Amino acid sequence: SYELTQPPSVSVAPGQTARITCGGNKIGSQSVHWYQQKPGQAPILVVYDDSDRPSGIPERLSGSKSGQTATLTISRVEAGDEADYYCQVWDNTSDLWVFGGGTKLSVL
Amino acid sequence: EVQLVETGGGLVQPGGSLRLSCAASGFAFNQYWMGWVRQAPGKGLEWVANIKQDGSGTYYADSVKGRFTISRDNAQKSVSLQMTSLRAEDTAIYYCATLFMAGSSFDYWGQGTLVTVSS
Repeated sequence: SYELTQPPSVSVAPGQTARITCGGNKIGSQSVHWYQQKPGQAPILVVYDDSDRPSGIPERLSGSKSGQTATLTISRVEAGDEADYYCQVWDNTSDLWVFGGGTKLSVL
Repeated sequence: EVQLVETGGGLVQPGGSLRLSCAASGFAFNQYWMGWVRQAPGKGLEWVANIKQDGSGTYYADSVKGRFTISRDNAQKSVSLQMTSLRAEDTAIYYCATLFMAGSSFDYWGQGTLVTVSS
């Protein structure tokens, strides 16, 4: 089955830039979506269709894609950005919806 | 305001059954796909099942195919997940979520309901 690969953890100091990657061998032809989940809360959508932001999501969060890797970039990281982040795609060859394993962002 | 409220979680023995429901409000329910996503304790998100706007198409993760059934009632603005032959590994928080079409994101999520499968 199709898999998306994320690093288990990323650490960054406040004010710096965090980059969370999501790898998949078909990701170049798939729309990638990103979710943020804080402890004890439901996930929320932060980036959809590779690089679009829902209303209310700060411009500091942005998405991009190159080759077989999608990236969620968080600029000027704040303590409130500490959370788990998941990428997700729809595999249209198998009609399966796939999540990456998640990345825990720690703010030092 | 979009609201999704899941109910029906609880403790069930292995091999048992449980039916989850999700009540929706604040959006045009019959224009959206609906889905269920679960999260085992301390683990990541796992997609479970989706259903098309009119119920004409249903899709399942391999891990639940043949055991779980997703359905919807557009008049009542609700989606359900009938779970049978439950296993310990089905223990998770179950979230319902909206998506506009197959390739789109899960835009809105409920707060989830906990299912525990244990003897």
